[in-house]
Amino acid sequence: DAKTTQPNSMESNEEEPVHLPCNHSTISGTDYIHWYRQLPSQGPEYVIHGLTSNVNNRMASLAIAEDRKSSTLILHRATLRDAAVYYCILRSGGSNYKLTFGKGTLLTVNP
Amino acid sequence: DGGITQSPKYLFRKEGQNVTLSCEQNLNHDAMYWYRQDPGQGLRLIYYSQIVNDFQKGDIAEGYSVSREKKESFPLTVTSAQKNPTAFYLCASSIRLAGGLNTEAFFGQGTRLTVV
Repeated sequence: DAKTTQPNSMESNEEEPVHLPCNHSTISGTDYIHWYRQLPSQGPEYVIHGLTSNVNNRMASLAIAEDRKSSTLILHRATLRDAAVYYCILRSGGSNYKLTFGKGTLLTVNP
Repeated sequence: DGGITQSPKYLFRKEGQNVTLSCEQNLNHDAMYWYRQDPGQGLRLIYYSQIVNDFQKGDIAEGYSVSREKKESFPLTVTSAQKNPTAFYLCASSIRLAGGLNTEAFFGQGTRLTVV
């Protein structure tokens, strides 16, 4: 499986933008980049995903490098409710249903 | 409401007993997954299933068993062979669109199992 690498933790201040990086140097052409986040004692929730182009939705933006070997999840104005563990994962567009997570990045938001 | 339901939320068992965790979804999803999470750690894949009557081992399947007799149900049994069963267990499901496109996964709220 293609692997992702994320920093263990990051800190941000409330109402400031947050850029969460993810490296995936072994990504294949059919792999989609997905981001999830997990609040304490809850199941993860989907945030955003993309293949090649940058993506925006109501929760966040996803910026994908031109060579697709890295990506950045952007929270435009962090709130205290955004404090969570953020996971960057790769999902194959082929016949493989396997879905694996790494350790993610623990985001702390300071008031 | 459509969603994925895990029950119970908290479960206590004595060491050496088998225990089954329930996972039900009414999203008509094809794929279902079981994960284990230990304190301060990420999610580790136990088993996954992409269709009824079929399932595959994940990264840490030893000491666990599953069944997929119905599309909406994917129960996980933690057997006495699992050496450290105390953990937070999460179930997820996702749909596969035509052309092989994977969509997002939806997670249940988890079952916290404590073995004493």
